[in-house]
Amino acid sequence: EPEVTQTPSHQVTQMGQEVILRCVPISNHLYFYWYRQILGQKVEFLVSFYNNEISEKSEIFDDQFSVERPDGSNFTLKIRSTKLEDSAMYFCASRSLAGTGELFFGEGSRLTVL
Amino acid sequence: AQSVTQPDIHITVSEGASLELRCNYSYGATPYLFWYVQSPGQGLQLLLKYFSGDTLVQGIKGFEAEFKRSQSSFNLRKPSVHWSDAAEYFCAVEGDSWGKLQFGAGTQVVVTP
Repeated sequence: EPEVTQTPSHQVTQMGQEVILRCVPISNHLYFYWYRQILGQKVEFLVSFYNNEISEKSEIFDDQFSVERPDGSNFTLKIRSTKLEDSAMYFCASRSLAGTGELFFGEGSRLTVL
Repeated sequence: AQSVTQPDIHITVSEGASLELRCNYSYGATPYLFWYVQSPGQGLQLLLKYFSGDTLVQGIKGFEAEFKRSQSSFNLRKPSVHWSDAAEYFCAVEGDSWGKLQFGAGTQVVVTP
């Protein structure tokens, strides 16, 4: 069964460092998303991406965050200068069709900022 | 603004017993509704979804959910739980924006022998 894969599974970084989280969506999917889950809190939408541009972003997704699809397979989330409060599990998701297509989530990348 | 409420933070159930997880949503129209499960160290796996039509939907792993418009609810049920059902369960709503899900806080399910 096709799946969304994310790397790394866990990253520890120092505050102020740049972090890139990588995702390989399912190959025929066209819509890509990042969500995050701070420990003990709800899963929150960060950003959606379609046709090589951001479709929508949440209030959380400030100038420290960026997304990119550098090639035909990868979808990345960059945090330019990490803060302690960026520590969370970050989930990538993809879907094939708007409307009735389900979101397929990856297993997540846990980011710990020290 | 849309919201999702899962009133039960934690539920303990005996193996073989039935399970019902509650989900209430607040949204102007009928949203798309989902239940996801997250096992420890794993990602979010879709159990089932409701878009339209029959209000009782069947999902994977023997789960079902019923959409009740009058109660703004989408409760998840399983007639007989297995130890492997121990996990965290999230109800989610997709409203105005495709793919922008709003999740409930989750219900942690513990299964005892």
